[in-house]
Amino acid sequence: AQSVSQHNHHVILSEAASLELGCNYSYGGTVNLFWYVQYPGQHLQLLLKYFSGDPLVKGIKGFEAEFIKSKFSFNLRKPSVQWSDTAEYFCAVSPSYSGAGSYQLTFGKGTKLSVIP
Amino acid sequence: GAGVSQSPSNKVTEKGKDVELRCDPISGHTALYWYRQSLGQGLEFLIYFQGNSAPDKSGLPSDRFSAERTGGSVSTLTIQRTQQEDSAVYLCASRFGGGAGETQYFGPGTRLLVL
Repeated sequence: AQSVSQHNHHVILSEAASLELGCNYSYGGTVNLFWYVQYPGQHLQLLLKYFSGDPLVKGIKGFEAEFIKSKFSFNLRKPSVQWSDTAEYFCAVSPSYSGAGSYQLTFGKGTKLSVIP
Repeated sequence: GAGVSQSPSNKVTEKGKDVELRCDPISGHTALYWYRQSLGQGLEFLIYFQGNSAPDKSGLPSDRFSAERTGGSVSTLTIQRTQQEDSAVYLCASRFGGGAGETQYFGPGTRLLVL
């Protein structure tokens, strides 16, 4: 079974600071990787995802993530955060094959980001 | 509808009572999930429905929890004899098909408080 570890429980940054949120996964096969975001009072929404190909994935609102297979990592980055990025961020992984179990999406515990104006 | 909807948005109940939570997935989505999100925890998988296949119930924490999906669309999660540790946000998600890596779309959740 797969597992996901997010290193930081709560990150506090000033506006314009750079962001990197760590995510490591554990799984013996090839994977699909996701970052979801939950803004205050809103539901979870997809930020970006990696299936295959270029390991640097660009998502909405200037976010990007890099898949480093050798490190089992999929860290989320943004060069300059804004107050509106205040939210909780969840990393998730699923097996990349089709068939039984491929639908299982395993989430990390989330990282709360607070951006101070 | 445009997105996944859930009702009620909030539910307060007394310990020992039964509750039913409803999920309306995006029209045309064949796959439906239920998750539980407890304070400080990630999303805990509960159950998965895909088309007419038998559901994957492997995440249900006890036999007090059950779910059904009628007509391949609306789903109801039932918790019998609720306990205080059942207090959490219950999230529903749907996706178009069963392919690997398909995006799941989440509803706003039902916040359950068991007194």
